[in-house]
Formats: sequence, C-alpha cells, structure tokens
Amino acid sequence: QQPVQSPQAVILREGEDAVINCSSSKALYSVHWYRQKHGEAPVFLMILLKGGEQKGHDKISASFNEKKQQSSLYLTASQLSYSGTYFCGTERRGGADGLTFGKGTHLIIQP
Amino acid sequence: DTGVSQNPRHKITKRGQNVTFRCDPISEHNRLYWYRQTLGQGPEFLTYFQNEAQLEKSRLLSDRFSAERPKGSFSTLEIQRTEQGDSAMYLCASSLKRASYNEQFFGPGTRLTVL
Repeated sequence: QQPVQSPQAVILREGEDAVINCSSSKALYSVHWYRQKHGEAPVFLMILLKGGEQKGHDKISASFNEKKQQSSLYLTASQLSYSGTYFCGTERRGGADGLTFGKGTHLIIQP
Repeated sequence: DTGVSQNPRHKITKRGQNVTFRCDPISEHNRLYWYRQTLGQGPEFLTYFQNEAQLEKSRLLSDRFSAERPKGSFSTLEIQRTEQGDSAMYLCASSLKRASYNEQFFGPGTRLTVL
C-alpha cells in the first residue's frame, strides 16, 4: 500500500516554514524521509521508528504518530537549498524490507 | 568517493536488446536494493540482497529481469528483451544491517531509454 503524501506541491518564500505529511492505511514499522533534486539520487534525511519518536536535523525535523500511522516533516526557516521533491518511504515490518514510497511533495523555495 | 556508485549513468538501447547495469554499494554495507523510478513517481522497490542471497523480489520484477550479487559485494541487474515500458531510472541503494535501523543510501542511478 503506497503511502499518501500531502500536499502535492508547496511554494514558499525563503525563511518560511513548511509541513509535509505522509499517511498510511496500514500499520508501519518505520518511516524514512528523502529529498531528491531534479536528475539526482534521493538523499537520506532521517528515519523514524514506531513508538512516536521525533527527530531533528538542523532546521528539519520529523515526527511519527503511530496511532494515526502518519509522519510529518517540518522545515523551518526554509533555505533555497531545501527546494526539491520530498519522498516518504515506509516499512511495514522491521528488518530489511524494501521501502514503499509515496508520490512525493514538490517544494519550491523562492528568494 | 565512498558512496554508492552505479554504471553506466545513461543507457540508450533499442527495443528487444538486453542491458546490464552495475551497482557498487558502500563497502561495509551488506544489504543492497534495486528500485525503479519513472518521471513524477517515487522509487518502486524491485529486489534486495543480504550479502549474496536474494531475499525478496517485487511482483514488478518480471521474468525478463534478473539480479545477481555473486560475492556479496557489487550487484548487476539485467533486463532481457527490453520494452519501451522499461524506460526509467534504475536506482541502487545499500544499507548496513543494524538491530533497528535500515537507512538506505542511494546511488546516482542509471537512466535507461528504450527506443
């Protein structure tokens, strides 16, 4: 089951904040977040395990609500370099599963 | 460079030809994954290896596709009798077996165009 990402696209001014959501209809073991720029490989941002943890990395953080099977990625004080497509990838069981990715959220940061 | 590498970066072929792609994972990573990505979509899982053993294959992986990882290091993905629908970016990722985490790091991909 492919996770559903929202919104599909976001346009922001530099310095504004953004939230990207990733929802699944099935119980998840973990959620992985990636950013991909045009023509490049997806770049790993962070992984969240079931248990409702929250993680942060510089001005990018994420949470995982196990009850709702939903993860959110928070981008604060966005920078031009944050532009790209953000994908969430989900695992339903622990171990070494291949990830099931959403369709992505396109983020455009304007100066 | 100690990241995941893939060769070739681009491949143009005619329908019906066979193609083979190579992936070299991060050196200490024992898990290797293949994904396919088409324009406007997220990567789709194809198959994965732990060391030399192929442990999972997606239904997307038709009989024309075969993957190997003979010595648990690099891997190859072969597509036989290519079709236009095979045109896509083929991504390889690797990860290190851990107790709880499965961070996967992607290579730059091989873009396949089938004419």
